[in-house]
Amino acid sequence: RKEVEQDPGPFNVPEGATVAFNCTYSNSASQSFFWYRQDCRKEPKLLMSVYSSGNEDGRFTAQLNRASQYISLLIRDSKLSDSATYLCVVNTGNQFYFGTGTSLTVIP
Amino acid sequence: ETGVTQSPTHLIKTRGQQVTLRCSSQSGHNTVSWYQQALGQGPQFIFQYYREEENGRGNFPPRFSGLQFPNYSSELNVNALELDDSALYLCASSLGWEQYFGPGTRLTVT
Repeated sequence: RKEVEQDPGPFNVPEGATVAFNCTYSNSASQSFFWYRQDCRKEPKLLMSVYSSGNEDGRFTAQLNRASQYISLLIRDSKLSDSATYLCVVNTGNQFYFGTGTSLTVIP
Repeated sequence: ETGVTQSPTHLIKTRGQQVTLRCSSQSGHNTVSWYQQALGQGPQFIFQYYREEENGRGNFPPRFSGLQFPNYSSELNVNALELDDSALYLCASSLGWEQYFGPGTRLTVT
């Protein structure tokens, strides 16, 4: 079983839509959680850390459910510039596990 | 920009050769992690260095080795290159848990 699993998509949504991504992790001892975005042929960029209480940054909201071992990312009012691959990342001990990424395309 | 730099940008090597990739971490960051990203996949954790010591390792064979220097810059060495080693190699620097990535080195093994 993979440490981190994500639906690869693709998600194709119109501008202004709300879209949600989920990610599950296998190790209940995992400590830290993150969402990164990666544009085509570029490096991943930190989008936000994910806290147990949930956190919001503008149009982006991240949630962590430790009991069910999943994290989520909600994007409201999608913009064309949100088109990218979204990677969830889980830290367990001194190792970081990335999902395969979920591809999002926002359509005009 | 993150302030993390990597060199070279691109590299072509032949199977069986050895390669060294370099990474300069963001100022003040004492931890460097290395990742391998194959096309269409998420980055795979190779190892992490903290204050010049290996601090965690993923599921990679011993022919993948590294170093971290007193200024916290780092090298990734890969011996006996195989065709499957062709990938984007990313380094990330951090002070806490949040990592900031460099632009990567694209390695092609022929």
